[in-house]
Amino acid sequence: GENVEQHPSTLSVQEGDSAVIKCTYSDSASNYFPWYKQELGKRPQLIIDIRSNVGEKKDQRIAVTLNKTAKHFSLHITETQPEDSAVYFCAASKGAGSYQLTFGKGTKLSVIP
Amino acid sequence: NAGVTQTPKFRVLKTGQSMTLLCAQDMNHEYMYWYRQDPGMGLRLIHYSVGEGTTAKGEVPDGYNVSRLKKQNFLLGLESAAPSQTSVYFCASSPGQAYNEQFFGPGTRLTVL
Repeated sequence: GENVEQHPSTLSVQEGDSAVIKCTYSDSASNYFPWYKQELGKRPQLIIDIRSNVGEKKDQRIAVTLNKTAKHFSLHITETQPEDSAVYFCAASKGAGSYQLTFGKGTKLSVIP
Repeated sequence: NAGVTQTPKFRVLKTGQSMTLLCAQDMNHEYMYWYRQDPGMGLRLIHYSVGEGTTAKGEVPDGYNVSRLKKQNFLLGLESAAPSQTSVYFCASSPGQAYNEQFFGPGTRLTVL
């Protein structure tokens, strides 16, 4: 089955700096890569996603890049703010059948004011 | 719309007791999923359903059973709870098409003593 590795497990940045979280996946058939944000005690919520036919997608301060050849994708957050502090999960899906998501183990991002 | 709801929010069980967690969604979604979340382990899929009357095993199905008698409800059962099942349980639903967001419920925190 699919295996998703996520790094780093914790990340601290100063407010205003950029943050980058990286994920690798094992199944070359995976074609959908969402990122979820989970604030403390809350449910995971989708913040951005990318399909395998796109190399980069941006939404305001967040962007995701995908390298299919290397089987890795990354989340970039620019101009970080204290409200960006949360746990971020990457995931991968084959996008067919049950559309199951395989999640990485998460990155706890702390933005220091 | 309430989205995805879960009942109960918290529960404490003794080893060997049984219980059922209820997930309900009002978005007419075809697909529903049960995950468990443990510290440092991300979200792991327990069971899922691709439609009313169907269920299938995910990554960590042992010790759990599920039923989807109505499209809007997905039940997760623990027949004989074990301390290893102490976790936060999240239900999710999606429309059942490619590249669709999974919407999560608020979670159930279960402690097995």
